[in-house]
Formats: sequence, structure tokens, C-alpha cells
Amino acid sequence: QQQVKQSPQSLIVQKGGISIINCAYENTAFDYFPWYQQFPGKGPALLIAIRPDVSEKKEGRFTISFNKSAKQFSLHIMDSQPGDSATYFCAAARETSGSRLTFGEGTQLTVNP
Amino acid sequence: NAGVTQTPKFQVLKTGQSMTLQCAQDMNHEYMSWYRQDPGMGLRLIHYSVGAGITDQGEVPNGYNVSRSTTEDFPLRLLSAAPSQTSVYFCASSYWGGVSTGELFFGEGSRLTVL
Repeated sequence: QQQVKQSPQSLIVQKGGISIINCAYENTAFDYFPWYQQFPGKGPALLIAIRPDVSEKKEGRFTISFNKSAKQFSLHIMDSQPGDSATYFCAAARETSGSRLTFGEGTQLTVNP
Repeated sequence: NAGVTQTPKFQVLKTGQSMTLQCAQDMNHEYMSWYRQDPGMGLRLIHYSVGAGITDQGEVPNGYNVSRSTTEDFPLRLLSAAPSQTSVYFCASSYWGGVSTGELFFGEGSRLTVL
């Protein structure tokens, strides 16, 4: 079963708009929530990550919002740019499992100029 | 820096054939893993290793074997290829010691087609 569910599957946004991707998890033992970005023909790369002791983390135009009670977290991309067009994966892990990440299904983001 | 290197980048197999996907990293990472990426299913963990001589199964291990004889290399073997193994395979590595140091570094992938 998919322990991390991600939506939407695809997203089209105009340049300058806000892109929002949502994820929900089932395992309450998860305590590390990263987002990975993947460009065509490349492997995923870490974009930003959050731990459940904070409700929000911001790095530049990218923000993770975390709702522990709802078991949900989301990625917000402010002022979206065509260069942000990529596939985004949320993931979750338990600290005791180290780097063993469980990924969501992925969201293909297209930012139109 | 080379990072994580995967070979081959593309491969076509016939059903029943065997092959090995190679993965090497030059970052002295203890942790290495193999994922497969399929449309609508994200990345699913096949096998992983936390050091030379130590391997374990992930979410979808059937039909695949791994070994870890050195820190640098982590090959993935398909024993008898099936069309269901058509996928893009990614090797990833990281430091081992808890998620705070667990950023995964991915290779560029190996696209496998089984006819």
C-alpha cells in the first residue's frame, strides 16, 4: 500500500503564480519529510526537508508546511518560474531507518511563461 | 566530482535474459540503495545496503539480487527479466547515521526495457 500519497499528479501554473503540492502519510512514526526535485533525464535531488518539531520551513521561494495532527505536509513554490518545471516527489522516513525513504507518487509541474 | 555513476544508461532485454546494472559512488557513503521509478507510482525501494557485506530488502525485491563487496559499488542483478521489470532504475547513496545526514544522492538512472 502507498504509505505516502501525493496530489495532484500534474499541475500547470502560470509564471509568477503559486504552485502547491500536497502529501499525506499514514505512519505516525515518520519524523523526516523531504521533497525531491527531478528534471527530465536526471536523478532526483533534495530540494528542502522538514522535521515535525516545526510547522513551516522556508528556503527562498520554496516553503514546506507541516500539519502533524492531520498527517499532511505540502510544498509551496512562490513566484513560480519556467525553470521550476520538473517532477516533485515528497517522501517520509523514520529516524531509525536512516536514509530509507518512502516516496509519494510524484507531481509533474509545468510553469508556463 | 563524479558522485553516483550508473551504467548502462539504456538497455533492452528479452524476457528471461539476465543482466547487471552497475552503480558506483566516490563519496565514501556507507548507505547505498536501488529504486525503480514507474509512472504514477513514484520511487519504490528495491534493495539497500548500510555497508560492505550488508544488504537488505526494500519494498519490491522480487526478481532482483544485490551484493556489496566494496564501499564504492552496489550492482543490481536481474536474474530472469520479465516485462514487469521495464522501468527506470536509480541508484542512490548517502551518509549513514540517521536522517539528519540522510540526504540521498541519486545517479542519472538506467532505463530498462524488457520485451
